[in-house]
Amino acid sequence: QLQLQESGPGLVKPSETLSLTCTVSGGSISSSSYYWGWIRQPPGKGLEWIGSIYYSGSTYYNPSLKSRVTISVDTSKNQFSLKLSSVTAADTAVYYCARLEGSTRYMDVWGKGTTVTVSS
Amino acid sequence: SYVLTQPPSVSVAPGKTARITCGGNNIGSKSVHWYQQKPGQAPVLVIYYDSDRPSGIPERFSGSNSGNTATLTISRVEAGDEADYYCQVWDSSSDVVFGGGTKLTVL
Repeated sequence: QLQLQESGPGLVKPSETLSLTCTVSGGSISSSSYYWGWIRQPPGKGLEWIGSIYYSGSTYYNPSLKSRVTISVDTSKNQFSLKLSSVTAADTAVYYCARLEGSTRYMDVWGKGTTVTVSS
Repeated sequence: SYVLTQPPSVSVAPGKTARITCGGNNIGSKSVHWYQQKPGQAPVLVIYYDSDRPSGIPERFSGSNSGNTATLTISRVEAGDEADYYCQVWDSSSDVVFGGGTKLTVL
């Protein structure tokens, strides 16, 4: 059974860089059938796609966040990571990682999510 | 950018049918996926490719998509169906897009 687990600091200071890692277990991140992505949800609000990555390293970002986002993959560790720079309070959210199906990007496996608060 | 529009809330009595819409320009030409999210939990895929159900999702959940509107239908609604529901598509220009979400209240 494929499982995803987010990890990283729960508190980040304004203007600093948020860094999260998603560890994939029970399957290979190098599968050609899937992408891997980050989604966030601010308190009381809806879901926002941040970006996705293919095992080859090809990346796709939400235009509204593109200037601040970097997603990378480490196939040797079966992990992918998110970096979001110059964070503000508006970046406070629950951050989820997920597996995305290759053709139409539906998300069939999700991590439990991790809460990140931006505060000094 | 591609925009998906959902009603903020839908209310339904137990045992009745709930319909949650997702509007988008010519959405019928795209594949629509639906997620259920209960408080404090990660979203769960309930419908993909407009009308397919993942294993473990009750047959009471169904979907349709035509023209400018996709619809998630929940038959014989139960108290446990109370949740937020999100539609999602992949668009070649906008990539992954979510609707704003609909809160389903079971009266």
